[in-house]
Amino acid sequence: KAGVTQTPRYLIKTRGQQVTLSCSPISGHRSVSWYQQTPGQGLQFLFEYFSETQRNKGNFPGRFSGRQFSNSRSEMNVSTLELGDSALYLCASSPQTGGVTEAFFGQGTRLTVV
Amino acid sequence: KQEVTQIPAALSVPEGENLVLNCSFTDSAIYNLQWFRQDPGKGLTSLLLIQSSQREQTSGRLNASLDKSSGRSTLYIAASQPGDSATYLCAVLDQTGANNLFFGTGTRLTVIP
Repeated sequence: KAGVTQTPRYLIKTRGQQVTLSCSPISGHRSVSWYQQTPGQGLQFLFEYFSETQRNKGNFPGRFSGRQFSNSRSEMNVSTLELGDSALYLCASSPQTGGVTEAFFGQGTRLTVV
Repeated sequence: KQEVTQIPAALSVPEGENLVLNCSFTDSAIYNLQWFRQDPGKGLTSLLLIQSSQREQTSGRLNASLDKSSGRSTLYIAASQPGDSATYLCAVLDQTGANNLFFGTGTRLTVIP
């Protein structure tokens, strides 16, 4: 059974640009959550999508957005990139939402903003 | 807001030793607690999941316990090996109705051959 797939693995962008990251969850999983990991702040929750609906959103500016498609694949978009957006972005896949489910993570996308 | 703390931040042990990593959380209204392993620059690998109604879970040389009322969990690693060197993270899923994991800052473990 394939795991969680995130693409691309690495990205270098310039300040002011926008970027789109992709996450394909484990087959049959309907929940996709996104996290940002930085050395200073650790792992912080961005948002969760379940059945194409955003369920919850962390404390991030509106430049961070996402969506989920009918096949449960999810994309995350960051507009007007800032240097501080440099981070490892991780997505997590779960069968369901808001309960006793286990989260499985992808390998992450390393975003560097220069 | 849920806060998760892990102590120690870093730990170095000789190969073969048994060790304990600690995790504490401030709000006991959780669904579950997960322990993860993260190798440098990589994603998270799930090690153990403990539901709120459980006291412990075991997988091979790993044993995790949960004391929900006191807001504490421990990860016990038996007979440590150099391949166990990694950062270990605990995360709690609280009862907000969404899959929002609250993570600790991790314990960086080094097992010396």
